[in-house]
Amino acid sequence: DVKVTQSSRYLVKRTGEKVFLECVQDMDHENMFWYRQDPGLGLRLIYFSYDVKMKEKGDIPEGYSVSREKKERFSLILESASTNQTSMYLCASLAPSGGNEKLFFGSGTQLSVL
Amino acid sequence: GENVEQHPSTLSVQEGDSAVIKCTYSDSASNYFPWYKQELGKRPQLIIDIRSNVGEKKDQRIAVTLNKTAKHFSLHITETQPEDSAVYFCAASFISGNTGKLIFGQGTTLQVKP
Repeated sequence: DVKVTQSSRYLVKRTGEKVFLECVQDMDHENMFWYRQDPGLGLRLIYFSYDVKMKEKGDIPEGYSVSREKKERFSLILESASTNQTSMYLCASLAPSGGNEKLFFGSGTQLSVL
Repeated sequence: GENVEQHPSTLSVQEGDSAVIKCTYSDSASNYFPWYKQELGKRPQLIIDIRSNVGEKKDQRIAVTLNKTAKHFSLHITETQPEDSAVYFCAASFISGNTGKLIFGQGTTLQVKP
């Protein structure tokens, strides 16, 4: 079974801190995604990556950056955390297409920025 | 940009009744429409999906219909049970660069009353 692991379940950070959220998948998927989940807003795409060192902006990339140095790891970086970045962050990897574009999600990181 | 609208935001039904959740999408090039279920405190899980070359798909008590002309698709749950209570997300697949990405709706909180 595919495993997508996010390094932290809960994080508390201070305004202005640089924050790293880590995500690792074990199925050699090429595509990985970072979403944030807020009540009433659903899952909004921040950034995604379709290959090592490749990245594309999603719908809400402002204030975030990403890093994909290895295929299995996709990191989300908050350059200078702000209170409006308090949210649940979900990482996902995508099974190969050709009939199956299933997203596998991590368990999420609840980030609180004080 | 690409957009997926989902309604209603909350839905309360009596056990045994049917539930219907509707979504519309903006990009006529979208060709893949999954539905994810997220139980409280858990990660979203794929429950059913449909491709643009199919009008309807059924899996036991759940079914999805797609109207490409109108650019909307719906989830139907029959004979609802308390364990169907969860947040449901629709999504549409958009092609960007070398990969497809899933854009999600805002989510519907379904409550099934015993």
